[in-house]
Amino acid sequence: QKEVEQNSGPLSVPEGAIASLNCTYSDRGSQSFFWYRQYSGKSPELIMSIYSNGDKEDGRFTAQLNKASQYVSLLIRDSQPSDSATYLCAAHEYNFNKFYFGSGTKLNVKP
Amino acid sequence: GAVVSQHPSWVICKSGTSVKIECRSLDFQATTMFWYRQFPKQSLMLMATSNEGSKATYEQGVEKDKFLINHASLTLSTLTVTSAHPEDSSFYICSARPPGTGNSPLHFGNGTRLTVT
Repeated sequence: QKEVEQNSGPLSVPEGAIASLNCTYSDRGSQSFFWYRQYSGKSPELIMSIYSNGDKEDGRFTAQLNKASQYVSLLIRDSQPSDSATYLCAAHEYNFNKFYFGSGTKLNVKP
Repeated sequence: GAVVSQHPSWVICKSGTSVKIECRSLDFQATTMFWYRQFPKQSLMLMATSNEGSKATYEQGVEKDKFLINHASLTLSTLTVTSAHPEDSSFYICSARPPGTGNSPLHFGNGTRLTVT
C-alpha cells in the first residue's frame, strides 16, 4: 500500500507565526511532491511543487524535501488568517502515473 | 495556464436518476484525467483514471457500471453516476495535468457537489 501520511491536526498558530506542516511517504518510487490548499467546500489548489532534495521557496511558502527520509514539509511564514485551510500533501509515482494524497492537515491561524 | 473546468458545480437529484458531470481541460490537451470523490471531512479518494480513447481504470471498490466514465476527446471527460442513491451524495472533483514533463502537477476542477434525495 503506497501511503502518504499527514497529521490531521488541527494545527493552530497565531497570526504572523510560522506554520510547519509535515508529510511522510512510503513509496520510494515517488519522484514529485506537491502541496495543495483546500478551503472548506472547495477543490484543492496547488501551492508548491518540489522534485529535488532541499528547499524551495515561493513567497511566504517554503517546501522541503528529504528523499532519504521520505519526508516532505511546508513552512508558511507570516501566517495569515486567510491561510486557514486544509493542506494536502501529494506524491506522484511516475511509472504508474498515480498521485497519492495524504488525508490533510487542518491549519487554523488565529488573529 | 492549466485550467480545468468542471460542470455543474452542484446538482440535486432524486434517487434512481442519473447525473452527468463534465470535466474539461481548457488550455491543454489531457490524455488522462482523474476523478476523485471526497466525503465531508475526509480526504480525496481516487475513483478512476480516465484515458482518452480507451477504457477508464477504476480503483478497487469503485463500481464501474455505476460510475460510467467517457473520455471521448483530449479535452473532455465525463462521469455519469447512474441510478444515484443518497449514499452517492458527495463532492466529485476531476483533475488533469498538462502534458510534457513527468513532474507537472495535477490541476483540479472546481468540483461538483452531488446531493441525492
